[in-house]
Amino acid sequence: GAGVSQSPSNKVTEKGKDVELRCDPISGHTALYWYRQSLGQGLEFLIYFQGNSAPDKSGLPSDRFSAERTGGSVSTLTIQRTQQEDSAVYLCASSLVEGKLFFGSGTQLSVL
Amino acid sequence: DQQVKQNSPSLSVQEGRISILNCDYTNSMFDYFLWYKKYPAEGPTFLISISSIKDKNEDGRFTVFLNKSAKHLSLHIVPSQPGDSAVYFCAAKRVEGNKLVFGAGTILRVKS
Repeated sequence: GAGVSQSPSNKVTEKGKDVELRCDPISGHTALYWYRQSLGQGLEFLIYFQGNSAPDKSGLPSDRFSAERTGGSVSTLTIQRTQQEDSAVYLCASSLVEGKLFFGSGTQLSVL
Repeated sequence: DQQVKQNSPSLSVQEGRISILNCDYTNSMFDYFLWYKKYPAEGPTFLISISSIKDKNEDGRFTVFLNKSAKHLSLHIVPSQPGDSAVYFCAAKRVEGNKLVFGAGTILRVKS
């Protein structure tokens, strides 16, 4: 596709359930990022993948959060045992040129 | 700790006038700064950037100014158009590292 694709666009789940969010980056982009935006807040960095290097996981808020990137392309962000404070828009971005990120439309996660 | 701050949550401007959005940062290691624009239900899109070796970068109606001594940058939009109404995020990157640190955003409303 032409842009970064994220699925699902909306996800409603019950507290304690696990969720998986998917990101298809722009073809050829070597860098992939996950950010989240809580209501009224800025974009909070979660994790960064660059090629075959070890990911930068410094933004993951707890060990309930994990992400992987298979084959240098598609990425999945997994949140285990979701909590209400996990409710946010989860944004994926990919990049070829350092600093210039192309974002997907995000997944709106609502934990009831 | 908020390393990138956008102290104005919102700004309202008349069509045709200048819009000035401000951003302050605290980390002197930041060397590259960007502005992103976000419409509702869409991901942020890259607007303009500036390297720390410059103090001004212009692209059409958009100009970014950087004052390193004050750790301040601003985005000027002139003339403002109703289609510019969006949330504007300031972002910064360190010399080493690849993650962008975002501000909380400023909602710009351009009235016709």
